[in-house]
Amino acid sequence: DTAVSQTPKYLVTQMGNDKSIKCEQNLGHDTMYWYKQDSKKFLKIMFSYNNKELIINETVPNRFSPKSPDKAHLNLHINSLELGDSAVYFCASSLLTELGNTIYFGEGSWLTVV
Amino acid sequence: KQEVTQIPAALSVPEGENLVLNCSFTDSAIYNLQWFRQDPGKGLTSLLLIQSSQREQTSGRLNASLDKSSGRSTLYIAASQPGDSATYLCAVIGAGKSTFGDGTTLTVKP
Repeated sequence: DTAVSQTPKYLVTQMGNDKSIKCEQNLGHDTMYWYKQDSKKFLKIMFSYNNKELIINETVPNRFSPKSPDKAHLNLHINSLELGDSAVYFCASSLLTELGNTIYFGEGSWLTVV
Repeated sequence: KQEVTQIPAALSVPEGENLVLNCSFTDSAIYNLQWFRQDPGKGLTSLLLIQSSQREQTSGRLNASLDKSSGRSTLYIAASQPGDSATYLCAVIGAGKSTFGDGTTLTVKP
């Protein structure tokens, strides 16, 4: 079974459209994340949710809105898509215990805005 | 603010060579450090996790070390193989947040 799954894997859409990427984890983790990997392959955190509460919101345009209906899901909705939004978006999850905090990543969603 | 730097940005070695990838971070208040591998067009695969109380972790030909006081971690790859060619990323993990380095792209030539 896939631990962190995100859909769709590939998405090509036109500028100005609104799109969503869904993420689900079946690991029982309490923290979920969205990362963006740009064309230079740099991986940057966008959002972090702990128990459905937003705890990190990096400098991201407000066209990006995360939604966490429950601890196992963190969806990313993007309004009015722009060319610069083209990137790979990774969902991840983790569970902080006394042993540390291991992050598990989804396979990524390749978004192309044309 | 945590900053993570990986050196070198790219590395090319002949097959069979031992090599070291470096990761440095500015804030030593971390929970742990994790090394990942990313193949072109693929997601991230976790290689090794070092807890903040540990000095090193080993898995097969890989050995990762952590020196919190100096803000450094190294990933040692023994007897490199062409299949090791990938981008290697280190992530410094704090409370609810992970900061990634920009990665080292490794090419192992047959």
